[in-house]
Amino acid sequence: NAGVMQNPRHLVRRRGQEARLRCSPMKGHSHVYWYRQLPEEGLKFMVYLQKENIIDESGMPKERFSAEFPKEGPSILRIQQVVRGDSAAYFCASSLGFRDRVLQPQHFGDGTRLSIL
Amino acid sequence: QKEVEQNSGPLSVPEGAIASLNCTYSDRVSQSFFWYRQYSGKSPELIMSIYSNGDKEDGRFTAQLNKASQYVSLLIRDSQPSDSATYLCAVKADRGTYKYIFGTGTRLKVLA
Repeated sequence: NAGVMQNPRHLVRRRGQEARLRCSPMKGHSHVYWYRQLPEEGLKFMVYLQKENIIDESGMPKERFSAEFPKEGPSILRIQQVVRGDSAAYFCASSLGFRDRVLQPQHFGDGTRLSIL
Repeated sequence: QKEVEQNSGPLSVPEGAIASLNCTYSDRVSQSFFWYRQYSGKSPELIMSIYSNGDKEDGRFTAQLNKASQYVSLLIRDSQPSDSATYLCAVKADRGTYKYIFGTGTRLKVLA
């Protein structure tokens, strides 16, 4: 399967613990996006990264949340000292960027459902 | 004003009818537009992308773009109960950023 791979699919943490969500983009994709979605709500943009660079983190809370996309390995969304309000589905998407002067669409992974006890 | 607006619905149509989903956007320089379908509890799935004014057809789906009026729509012909889902409109403003703005989605119900 050459799609966007996210793991784990489900993650349960207790308040105060750390959550690490991983995302491997589609082969050849260098643009990675993280979104959060609460039940019955829309996708909320969190952060956009390219290899080794955070391009836009305007949607990410200033505290406890961080993201990285290292040269080697998956992109990681890290949530420190989790609270109940962090419970949500977190989706990763990847994109090729431009090809033949046309912006290519994003493709989504299956998401990580984070539950905070 | 929200950057990308969609009617949340639910939009109910009988099986076999045409479902029409609309999306308006605020940024006049937007150049790239995408429709995604999301089933409950699942991830968004790309249906269509459109970049030029006019219609673009793919099977039972037709995307329509009118940049002057700043709206993009999705028509689903011969609607099936399996089309029941939330449809998300996404807009990308080409200003040197690769950020996509999603609408909150329209929930479609196709009644058998």
